[in-house]
Amino acid sequence: DADVTQTPRNRITKTGKRIMLECSQTKGHDRMYWYRQDPGLGLRLIYYSFDVKDINKGEISDGYSVSRQAQAKFSLSLESAIPNQTALYFCATSDRDNRQGYEQFFGPGTRLTVL
Amino acid sequence: GENVEQHPSTLSVQEGDSAVIKCTYSDSASNYFPWYKQELGKGPQLIIDIRSNVGEKKDQRIAVTLNKTAKHFSLHITETQPEDSAVYFCAATYNYGQNFVFGPGTRLSVLP
Repeated sequence: DADVTQTPRNRITKTGKRIMLECSQTKGHDRMYWYRQDPGLGLRLIYYSFDVKDINKGEISDGYSVSRQAQAKFSLSLESAIPNQTALYFCATSDRDNRQGYEQFFGPGTRLTVL
Repeated sequence: GENVEQHPSTLSVQEGDSAVIKCTYSDSASNYFPWYKQELGKGPQLIIDIRSNVGEKKDQRIAVTLNKTAKHFSLHITETQPEDSAVYFCAATYNYGQNFVFGPGTRLSVLP
């Protein structure tokens, strides 16, 4: 089974709808991240969480919110989706104690289309 | 804040040839530089990384070099194979495993 899972894998929605993307991990990592990938722009950090009570904004947090329900779960919400939020979204995790170096482990991604 | 540029955006090489991808960063405080490979339909995966106290690191066919003075680092792949075809991202961070800033990516195609 995959260590970092994301649901749904694909989602098409309409402008103004509320959308939640979910991420779960079985790696036991404290740190979790949400990224957005757009062609030609690489991966940009939306939010990150270093533990259940620690949530931080990333480079492009406007229009997004997150919830860290447990160590293993980190959800990303779009309260009112707009077309320019159409992108590929990735969740990632890393180990606070750096037992595996500084590597971030990525999920398979969620392709979101906002019409 | 940190800004990472990456070149070229696309690269095609013949199987067996070498490939080089270059990145520059803006923040002289950056101290950790990973490279990630993204295969079609998958999330990025770390292939090699380098810390600021090291000038070069090798792992079989891949190597990374770092020039702190010029603020640039490069990925070198030798004896390329079709399975090396993917999108490669460089990244930089000033606080090791936190808050990576990624480059825009390079799509590498290895032609048989």
